[in-house]
Amino acid sequence: AQSVAQPEDQVNVAEGNPLTVKCTYSVSGNPYLFWYVQYPNRGLQFLLKYITGDNLVKGSYGFEAEFNKSQTSFHLKKPSALVSDSALYFCAVRDGGSGNTGKLIFGQGTTLQVKP
Amino acid sequence: KAGVTQTPRYLIKTRGQQVTLSCSPISGHRSVSWYQQTPGQGLQFLFEYFSETQRNKGNFPGRFSGRQFSNSRSEMNVSTLELGDSALYLCASSLPTSGGADEQFFGPGTRLTVL
Repeated sequence: AQSVAQPEDQVNVAEGNPLTVKCTYSVSGNPYLFWYVQYPNRGLQFLLKYITGDNLVKGSYGFEAEFNKSQTSFHLKKPSALVSDSALYFCAVRDGGSGNTGKLIFGQGTTLQVKP
Repeated sequence: KAGVTQTPRYLIKTRGQQVTLSCSPISGHRSVSWYQQTPGQGLQFLFEYFSETQRNKGNFPGRFSGRQFSNSRSEMNVSTLELGDSALYLCASSLPTSGGADEQFFGPGTRLTVL
């Protein structure tokens, strides 16, 4: 069975400092991994994805994520946090070999709070 | 391109009623997936439609159903509403190309409140 874990309910960071939001996953086949962000009263907004290739993936708004197969992790990072980055972040996985092309399994979400 | 649109944005219903939610995908997108978001259960996959056929289904009771039209627009229906059906219902569309590598683009959601 596919699953995603985001071990931290909330991450607090000061503006200008680097941020990391953690994600670990479990799939039986090749993982397709995604990060989304949700602002209050809004839908999910796509940030980046890992399908294959380079383990470091760059996405929107200066975010990047590192795929680590041995640790089954896909942590979201940003070198310098902005107050406007404060939002709810979701990691999601799809089993690339399962044929479940439209089904994403989401983690519980991590609230990122960036303080001025 | 216009994004994914969902109507209505807000709904208030009473227990036992039924409700229909609508989703218009991004132009050219043929796959539409539906998710339920609640504080307790998080984001859960309901079903996916592609070319008017249900391709995947999550673990929800038969009261939850959907369909897709030839223009890729989709509707989901919930019959005999229960209090626990109160949630944000999100629709997402994608091309898709091959193998499920496409990202999904989400609409703003429909907030359903069941009284």
